[in-house]
Amino acid sequence: NAGVMQNPRHLVRRRGQEARLRCSPMKGHSHVYWYRQLPEEGLKFMVYLQKENIIDESGMPKERFSAEFPKEGPSILRIQQVVRGDSAAYFCASSPGSSSTDTQYFGPGTRLTVL
Amino acid sequence: GENVEQHPSTLSVQEGDSAVIKCTYSDSASNYFPWYKQELGKGPQLIIDIRSNVGEKKDQRIAVTLNKTAKHFSLHITETQPEDSAVYFCAAILTGGFKTIFGAGTRLFVKA
Repeated sequence: NAGVMQNPRHLVRRRGQEARLRCSPMKGHSHVYWYRQLPEEGLKFMVYLQKENIIDESGMPKERFSAEFPKEGPSILRIQQVVRGDSAAYFCASSPGSSSTDTQYFGPGTRLTVL
Repeated sequence: GENVEQHPSTLSVQEGDSAVIKCTYSDSASNYFPWYKQELGKGPQLIIDIRSNVGEKKDQRIAVTLNKTAKHFSLHITETQPEDSAVYFCAAILTGGFKTIFGAGTRLFVKA
């Protein structure tokens, strides 16, 4: 059973470009979470999605950031018009349910560098 | 909202010694406390967790304790090995919630 998959693992963008980060949850998991990790810091919650629904996006910046989890295919975190401050590691996690005690399994992350 | 404080930020121990990492949380409604280990260039991996109806849990060399009254929980690693070197994160999740609130992390160095 493959774990959570994320791609690309490394992404370099120039200021003003768009970044698209992909996440395929573990088989059988329909709940996806995105977190951002700045250097030397802990992970910060961004958004929680179920298939075709955004459940909570309270941790996501109001502008330039969006997320989706379509019926078919991976979850996508999209950052438009990237700025240097967007440089970070972005982690996706998945769980089988939404209970507070459902373990979240993390992917390897995408490291975004904005030049 | 929930806030998780973690100490120390850096911990260096000799191989074979024990390591203890402590965390406190602010919201008494939190009921699930996972611990993650993150190695360089990788995502966090769950190593142990504890639920609010349990005071202590052990898995081989790793144990976690929870004091709900004081709102703090700790990770104990015994007989440390060089491969235990990593960043460790404590976390808390509110009852009925799904946001994992992470501590800032502890960088553990185990010297051979």
